[in-house]
Amino acid sequence: AQSVSQHNHHVILSEAASLELGCNYSYGGTVNLFWYVQYPGQHLQLLLKYFSGDPLVKGIKGFEAEFIKSKFSFNLRKPSVQWSDTAEYFCAVNPTGNMLTFGGGTRLMVKP
Amino acid sequence: NAGVMQNPRHLVRRRGQEARLRCSPMKGHSHVYWYRQLPEEGLKFMVYLQKENIIDESGMPKERFSAEFPKEGPSILRIQQVVRGDSAAYFCASSPPTGGQETQYFGPGTRLLVL
Repeated sequence: AQSVSQHNHHVILSEAASLELGCNYSYGGTVNLFWYVQYPGQHLQLLLKYFSGDPLVKGIKGFEAEFIKSKFSFNLRKPSVQWSDTAEYFCAVNPTGNMLTFGGGTRLMVKP
Repeated sequence: NAGVMQNPRHLVRRRGQEARLRCSPMKGHSHVYWYRQLPEEGLKFMVYLQKENIIDESGMPKERFSAEFPKEGPSILRIQQVVRGDSAAYFCASSPPTGGQETQYFGPGTRLLVL
């Protein structure tokens, strides 16, 4: 069965620092890849997605992610974080078009 | 354009009672997914439904849990004889019937607390 690993469970950064959250998946075939964000008390929102094409994907709020097929990775990046980026971030894969398999999540706290 | 609606947002039940969670997909979406998020864990897939059909229930516990998505009305996740371990956030997602590459849009979740 496929699995998704997010290496950092908790990340604390100061405003303006750069962010990179790791995501690795185990699935040998073609996958669709997603990053969702859950702000405190809110529901999951889609940040960005990769289906095919350019492996560098740009999402909302200045986030981007790079799909590296050889490393089975889909890391999330942002050059300069803001206090409002404090949230929990989930990586997910969808190999069959049906269910999403989520990573355990990374809680990001940005200090003002 | 309303998003995915879930109600109730919070539900408290005593052990042995029944819990009914409702999900109305986004307009035009005919695929519904239920996920469970236990405390301090990521979301885990439970069931995937289309109108009047259960497509994949591989993540559903074999007992006490059931789901339906009738021709009219919301999708219902039903938990009978709840136990403390059922306390979790239950999220519903929906997607359009495009076949293949579907993005799932999530509702606000129902937080179930079993006393």
